[in-house]
Amino acid sequence: QKEVEQDPGPLSVPEGAIVSLNCTYSNSAFQYFMWYRQYSRKGPELLMYTYSSGNKEDGRFTAQVDKSSKYISLFIRDSQPSDSATYLCAMSDVNTGGFKTIFGAGTRLFVKA
Amino acid sequence: ETGVTQSPTHLIKTRGQQVTLRCSSQSGHNTVSWYQQALGQGPQFIFQYYREEENGRGNFPPRFSGLQFPNYSSELNVNALELDDSALYLCASSRDRSSYEQYFGPGTRLTVT
Repeated sequence: QKEVEQDPGPLSVPEGAIVSLNCTYSNSAFQYFMWYRQYSRKGPELLMYTYSSGNKEDGRFTAQVDKSSKYISLFIRDSQPSDSATYLCAMSDVNTGGFKTIFGAGTRLFVKA
Repeated sequence: ETGVTQSPTHLIKTRGQQVTLRCSSQSGHNTVSWYQQALGQGPQFIFQYYREEENGRGNFPPRFSGLQFPNYSSELNVNALELDDSALYLCASSRDRSSYEQYFGPGTRLTVT
């Protein structure tokens, strides 16, 4: 079993839709949860960063962490064609510091105009 | 503020050869991590360098080695290249080793034939 599981998609939605992206994980030591966006032929770009459980909102993006279920989500409201990219969840545990961040496989999102 | 840069952009090597990839970290960052991203997969942690010392290593063989220089730039060296080493190699810098916010470069696409 992988430490982090993420449905690779692809996920295709019409412009304006609400998008829900999810990851599950098995390591209860994870405390830091990140979402990265990666456009084709580019490096990942940090979108959202959450410590422990709870919600965090930034513009059209909301990140949720449910540590009891070992489940994290990213919601995108009013999706735009420019949101078409691969979304990667990533996690780190507090004991090891910043190294050994574990990434999911990424979900490919297509937003159709 | 200068972002993370990597060189070269693309590289083609033959099985058994050696390769050196380079990374310049973002201004003010003293920690560099290297990742391997196979096609359709998330980045896999290779190792991290903090202030010129290796600060952790993922599940990669010793033929993957690295260096960090006093200006915090870094190199990834891979000896005895194998076909499975074909991937996008990403460098990420962070403010220090306890920071979970990583900033990625555009990557080097390595093809081994």
